[in-house]
Amino acid sequence: DGGITQSPKYLFRKEGQNVTLSCEQNLNHDAMYWYRQDPGQGLRLIYYSQIVNDFQKGDIAEGYSVSREKKESFPLTVTSAQKNPTAFYLCASSPSSGSTQYFGPGTRLTVL
Amino acid sequence: DAKTTQPTSMDCAEGRAANLPCNHSTISGNEYVYWYRQIHSQGPQYIIHGLKNNETNEMASLIITEDRKSSTLILPHATLRDTAVYYCIVRVSDTGRRALTFGSGTRLQVQP
Repeated sequence: DGGITQSPKYLFRKEGQNVTLSCEQNLNHDAMYWYRQDPGQGLRLIYYSQIVNDFQKGDIAEGYSVSREKKESFPLTVTSAQKNPTAFYLCASSPSSGSTQYFGPGTRLTVL
Repeated sequence: DAKTTQPTSMDCAEGRAANLPCNHSTISGNEYVYWYRQIHSQGPQYIIHGLKNNETNEMASLIITEDRKSSTLILPHATLRDTAVYYCIVRVSDTGRRALTFGSGTRLQVQP
């Protein structure tokens, strides 16, 4: 099956710890994205990558970091510098930058 | 990207057609109309998109008015699994603006 996978589905972290969220796609898409969704809110863009070894900051990149070493993988690290990390994190991909985006199932991160 | 206006909520009887309206009176000539939906605690799901002509796929139909200032998403035979928040998004494809802007959407409740 082609698609986007995110793991884990639920993640708990102690305050002050870094944590990495996984995003993998086997759709052969060039572009990948990370969004954050807070309860009752819309999606906000954290980082996006148009192509391997390239990525740009989105609207709320502070406290987050990414890498894009492989076309199919775009992991997101939530660092201890992120002041309010508890949220629902969504990864998406698209065939090329600006074309239709397809989303993964999401990871719900809770900071204890 | 043009602003969109959608009703906050709608009900539909199971088996009947669900017609979800969207107003986008400031849409530009090169902006597409996209529809996504989000079932509780899941990632957004792409449904359909169009520029001028009406579009149909296995999930839904999209009817765009001739002046392009409004559109309607039609789910021909709604089921309980179609209960979700539906988002109408207007954006230009293949441009420098790469984030999707999700508004508050329409909460569709399919009743048995």
